[in-house]
Amino acid sequence: GIQVEQSPPDLILQEGANSTLRCNFSDSVNNLQWFHQNPWGQLINLFYIPSGTKQNGRLSATTVATERYSLLYISSSQTTDSGVYFCAVTDNYGQNFVFGPGTRLSVLP
Amino acid sequence: EPEVTQTPSHQVTQMGQEVILRCVPISNHLYFYWYRQILGQKVEFLVSFYNNEISEKSEIFDDQFSVERPDGSNFTLKIRSTKLEDSAMYFCASSDPGTGYDNFGPGTRLTVT
Repeated sequence: GIQVEQSPPDLILQEGANSTLRCNFSDSVNNLQWFHQNPWGQLINLFYIPSGTKQNGRLSATTVATERYSLLYISSSQTTDSGVYFCAVTDNYGQNFVFGPGTRLSVLP
Repeated sequence: EPEVTQTPSHQVTQMGQEVILRCVPISNHLYFYWYRQILGQKVEFLVSFYNNEISEKSEIFDDQFSVERPDGSNFTLKIRSTKLEDSAMYFCASSDPGTGYDNFGPGTRLTVT
């Protein structure tokens, strides 16, 4: 099945810094979503982005489907951005998501 | 905006007991899913459900597990005889194939003692 990798596995930032999180996938995708898992364990959907670029406030995401990667940009990071960021994809054969291992982000005050 | 809801938010049970986790998907969605996340690990697919039957399931989804849509709104996951290793966060999701976008519920944290 499709494989999903994320980098870096861990990231520590000072408040106000910018960061880029990467998601690589091994096959064509039908769907790609970025999630933020908050300290209570809830998965918060950030972007539905199988291709192209989207922005939502300080966050933006770009997926280059032909090159099989997606990037999540966080600008002017805040302590509330801390948590684990997951990339999840569906391939062309199934409906269910395959999640990456996540990037654990810690934003220090 | 409509949301997927899950109850309870936290369930503690003793090993060997049966548990039922409940989900209310978004009303006009057609696909329903359960995922599991053991603490500190990635989210794993368990099962998908469409047209009142299982459409796909993972190796994790063995005979201990079952799913049901008992009425027009609820979607349940039953674990027949819980084991310690069933302790995890369980997420329900639903999707509308027209949009391709999956909505996840807030999760139920299951603790088996």
